[in-house]
Amino acid sequence: DAKTTQPPSMDCAEGRAANLPCNHSTISGNEYVYWYRQIHSQGPQYIIHGLKNNETNEMASLIITEDRKSSTLILPHATLRDTAVYYCIVRVPSMEYGNKLVFGAGTILRVKS
Amino acid sequence: DAGVIQSPRHEVTEMGQEVTLRCKPISGHNSLFWYRQTMMRGLELLIYFNNNVPIDDSGMPEDRFSAKMPNASFSTLKIQPSEPRDSAVYFCASSLLGVQETQYFGPGTRLLVL
Repeated sequence: DAKTTQPPSMDCAEGRAANLPCNHSTISGNEYVYWYRQIHSQGPQYIIHGLKNNETNEMASLIITEDRKSSTLILPHATLRDTAVYYCIVRVPSMEYGNKLVFGAGTILRVKS
Repeated sequence: DAGVIQSPRHEVTEMGQEVTLRCKPISGHNSLFWYRQTMMRGLELLIYFNNNVPIDDSGMPEDRFSAKMPNASFSTLKIQPSEPRDSAVYFCASSLLGVQETQYFGPGTRLLVL
């Protein structure tokens, strides 16, 4: 699985967009980019994933560069409840072996009022 | 949907005792994962099952740890004997096998071994 690099921490003002970068320069053509987050004292929560096209759901948007070597998770209007550790993971999903996720250190996002 | 259910939520035990953690995956899911989280090592995958069969247990730290999945709706992670370094939060997650599966995590069991 490709290795990812994320900044250790970021701050964001409440109500502003939070843009969380992830570098995955060794990603292969069939690897997906997944984002999970972990709010304090809770289990990780799935946010979004994508292969090459930009994706959007009710929680966030995922922007993947054309060369797929990096991506950005965007929380359009961050709230205090978005304060969490955000994990960027790249993975080839396998019908046979399942989706084994390897979590790195992630980015601690602090949303401030 | 009740989500992934784990029990107990908190466990305090003494070194040398047997500890059993339990997990009920989301109904219909056929993959189940056990993770351990500590400050030092972060979130680590211990073992996972597909269709009740263990696929990869390379993350299980040593023979003191064992996991079973007797049926699609129940799994256990056992530590025998427990040691203080086993103190951690243990998460169970489940998913539906497929190309775009996502994992759903339980609330975790906080284990303290004295």
